[in-house]
Amino acid sequence: QVQLVQSGAEVRKPGSSVKVSCKASGGTFNNHVISWVRQAPGQGLEWMGGIILMFGTSNYAQKFQGRVTITADESTNTAYMDLRSLRSEDTAVYYCAMSPPSCSTVSCYARMHFWGQGTLVTVSS
Amino acid sequence: DIQMTQSPSTLSASVGDRVIITCRASQNINTWLAWYQQKPGKAPKLLIYKASSLESGVPSRFSGSGSGTEFTLTISSLQPDDFATYYCLQYNSYSPELAFGGGTKVAIK
Repeated sequence: QVQLVQSGAEVRKPGSSVKVSCKASGGTFNNHVISWVRQAPGQGLEWMGGIILMFGTSNYAQKFQGRVTITADESTNTAYMDLRSLRSEDTAVYYCAMSPPSCSTVSCYARMHFWGQGTLVTVSS
Repeated sequence: DIQMTQSPSTLSASVGDRVIITCRASQNINTWLAWYQQKPGKAPKLLIYKASSLESGVPSRFSGSGSGTEFTLTISSLQPDDFATYYCLQYNSYSPELAFGGGTKVAIK
């Protein structure tokens, strides 16, 4: 059974960047896709982008193009989400999520079966 | 961009009730739709993918239907553990631009 453990809460100033990690244990790391989803306080869910681990291919929501980079390190079974030029509206809980095993296509971004515990990122001056 | 509209935004129901949540897409998305459940302070949980496929481990009282632009999530007999917020998610096998609906909060009547 896959478990995802995310890095701890972060506080950043506007204009800076943040990098959140998501370490997977159990299962075969590159047999999945990983999505990143965020949720601002009291708001709904927002898909930011993801990575197809088998190919190392990243895809991003248009809203975040140019401001987010999603990567993965197969040697440590860890995925990363790097968000730049932070503003107060980026204050949110950021989740990583992984597809079931052997689900490794673009459509598998929507099949978020395993989830990390979430990382609160607070952007404040 | 494809917009997803969920209704209702909130609903009150009792244990044992049949609950139906609707999600409408601004354009045809075939059956590229998933449903998630989220409880306060917790990560979402996948219930349904490809409009009607039940994710492994999800109780059979949950079911999904629809295609094109109109979709429904049905809970056949609401259980105490089902009081939560539900989100639809549209996706596409060709274009990685996913969009969640605004959510439906299912509260105790």
